[in-house]
Amino acid sequence: DSGVTQTPKHLITATGQRVTLRCSPRSGDLSVYWYQQSLDQGLQFLIQYYNGEERAKGNILERFSAQQFPDLHSELNLSSLELGDSALYFCASSPRPPSLGGYTFGSGTRLTVV
Amino acid sequence: LAKTTQPISMDSYEGQEVNITCSHNNIATNDYITWYQQFPSQGPRFIIQGYKTKVTNEVASLFIPADRKSSTLSLPRVSLSDTAVYYCLVLTSGTYKYIFGTGTRLKVLA
Repeated sequence: DSGVTQTPKHLITATGQRVTLRCSPRSGDLSVYWYQQSLDQGLQFLIQYYNGEERAKGNILERFSAQQFPDLHSELNLSSLELGDSALYFCASSPRPPSLGGYTFGSGTRLTVV
Repeated sequence: LAKTTQPISMDSYEGQEVNITCSHNNIATNDYITWYQQFPSQGPRFIIQGYKTKVTNEVASLFIPADRKSSTLSLPRVSLSDTAVYYCLVLTSGTYKYIFGTGTRLKVLA
C-alpha cells in the first residue's frame, strides 16, 4: 500500500456519460498529480494541484476538469466520455513542489468506456 | 523540459546485472535525473534519483557522468520479479510535473 488511495478501482460507463475519479494523497502530502495511461500513449501528465491551487497543466482535455479540496483529496471529472478515454488514470502525491525525491503513485482507476 | 531517450526493451537472465542507459543531452543545471519502475496495471514506483556522480540505495545504483548528458540505472542480480517497465525522467527544480517517456521494457528470463 503506497498510501495514495484511488477510488473506484474499476469503472465501466457508456459514451457521453460523466464520471468522477477520487484520490486521497498520502498523509502529509500537499501536492496531487493526475496522469492518464493508455496503451498507445504511455503515461500522460494531466494536471497538478498544490494545497488546493492548480499549479501545472499538461495535456488535459477541455472535457476533463479537476480540483483539490481543503482536506487535500482531489477529484478528476471526465465528461462527454468517448471510447478513446478508456485508460488507467493514476493519481500521485508528494510533500511539496517541486517533487525532488519522487512522487508516490496510487494503484489507479481503470476506466472503460463502452 | 529535457527530453530523454532510452532503449525500448531489454532482455536479461536471472542473477545478472542489468544496466539501462538513458540519454538526456539537453539537461539543464537545475535538472535531476529520476528513475521509476512500473509493473502492469500498477502505478509507477520511485527507484532512485541523482544529480551527479553515483547514487546507491537498497534497490539500485545510478551512475551519472560529469557532463550529465546520460545516466545509467544499474540493477544488481535481477530476478524474475524485476520484469517491468523502467522510466528515466528529468525533473527541473522549480517545475511541477514529471514528463514520462516511453520507458524500457525489461524482461528477466529464467
